[in-house]
Amino acid sequence: NAGVTQTPKFQVLKTGQSMTLQCAQDMNHNSMYWYRQDPGMGLRLIYYSASEGTTDKGEVPNGYNVSRLNKREFSLRLESAAPSQTSVYFCASSVGRLAKNIQYFGAGTRLSVL
Amino acid sequence: DAKTTQPTSMDCAEGRAANLPCNHSTISGNEYVYWYRQIHSQGPQYIIHGLKNNETNEMASLIITEDRKSSTLILPHATLRDTAVYYCIVSSNDYKLSFGAGTTVTVRA
Repeated sequence: NAGVTQTPKFQVLKTGQSMTLQCAQDMNHNSMYWYRQDPGMGLRLIYYSASEGTTDKGEVPNGYNVSRLNKREFSLRLESAAPSQTSVYFCASSVGRLAKNIQYFGAGTRLSVL
Repeated sequence: DAKTTQPTSMDCAEGRAANLPCNHSTISGNEYVYWYRQIHSQGPQYIIHGLKNNETNEMASLIITEDRKSSTLILPHATLRDTAVYYCIVSSNDYKLSFGAGTTVTVRA
């Protein structure tokens, strides 16, 4: 039981390049989330998926797209990376509405955009 | 969601209880209090949550005042591995958590 798995762990991009961050959970959770964390700050929600087939914007969605591929997988895409997107990205999952907001987090993807 | 106020940092001695305060004076009736922590470079970890009553689990205890305007997270016997940033979050939304700056807790031997 791995929990929430994120790939890659580290990535360096040049400005304008695109990439997709992958996230998978094996806990049969309904809801999944993408956050970013800038140095010395708390996490900010980018997008979330309350259930398979739905996605919604969070606090900072600009510059990102997401896909809820199936119940297990939720990917985050940067179409044209910018230096302002240098951050640590965390994926999380939760059972869903009835279990309140108990979220389980992955280990993070550290992204640098040069 | 209601705003929370936490001290920026605090120290505690290994083996002693750590009491982490959180003010949430604008909390509304349907908002829960959540505590998460983030050990350096790792993803946040859920600790405990509550609505009105005090709660206890294997990690910590949560004490919520009767008027619900403040709460205290208690780590009963702090260890060096409890050194982390602790986030107090108030939310009624089933999906959104707003992480502020949290309290940096350093447990000293």
